[in-house]
Amino acid sequence: EPEVTQTPSHQVTQMGQEVILRCVPISNHLYFYWYRQILGQKVEFLVSFYNNEISEKSEIFDDQFSVERPDGSNFTLKIRSTKLEDSAMYFCASSEARGGGYTFGSGTRLTVV
Amino acid sequence: GENVEQHPSTLSVQEGDSAVIKCTYSDSASNYFPWYKQELGKRPQLIIDIRSNVGEKKDQRIAVTLNKTAKHFSLHITETQPEDSAVYFCAAGSNRDDKIIFGKGTRLHILP
Repeated sequence: EPEVTQTPSHQVTQMGQEVILRCVPISNHLYFYWYRQILGQKVEFLVSFYNNEISEKSEIFDDQFSVERPDGSNFTLKIRSTKLEDSAMYFCASSEARGGGYTFGSGTRLTVV
Repeated sequence: GENVEQHPSTLSVQEGDSAVIKCTYSDSASNYFPWYKQELGKRPQLIIDIRSNVGEKKDQRIAVTLNKTAKHFSLHITETQPEDSAVYFCAAGSNRDDKIIFGKGTRLHILP
């Protein structure tokens, strides 16, 4: 079964540093997403990406965040200057069509110290 | 924007009994309602979903019901087993939006 893969599985970074989280969506999927989950809480939407541009973003996705699809396979989330409260599990997801059928990656646990 | 409420936050049932988790949504444009199971430290995994053109969908021991008028949808697990213990999330989305919004989750414990 096709999978969404994410690297690294765990990232520890110092406050103020930049991090890049990487994802390889399922190859025939057209819609890509980032979600985050603070420990013990619900999964929160960050951003969606379609046709090489952001299609929707949440209030969480401020100027410190950016996404990119640098080539035909990778989808990245960059946090420019990490804060302690950015510590969370970050999930990438992809879907073939709008409005359904999401497949989530295994996540990157980001710890900001 | 869409708001999804989920109840209960924790549910304990005896092995073999049924479990029911309920969600409500606010946006009448929502037409896609997936349910995810998340085991500790792992990704959310889609277990069943329903679209607004049907009222009920079943897959073995799992069923989902949808009441569009009341904006309610529920997950039913019958003959529960120890491996059903996990956190379950409901979510809602629509063709209009490029996102799904999750409920806060229900921690299901199956008691031996």
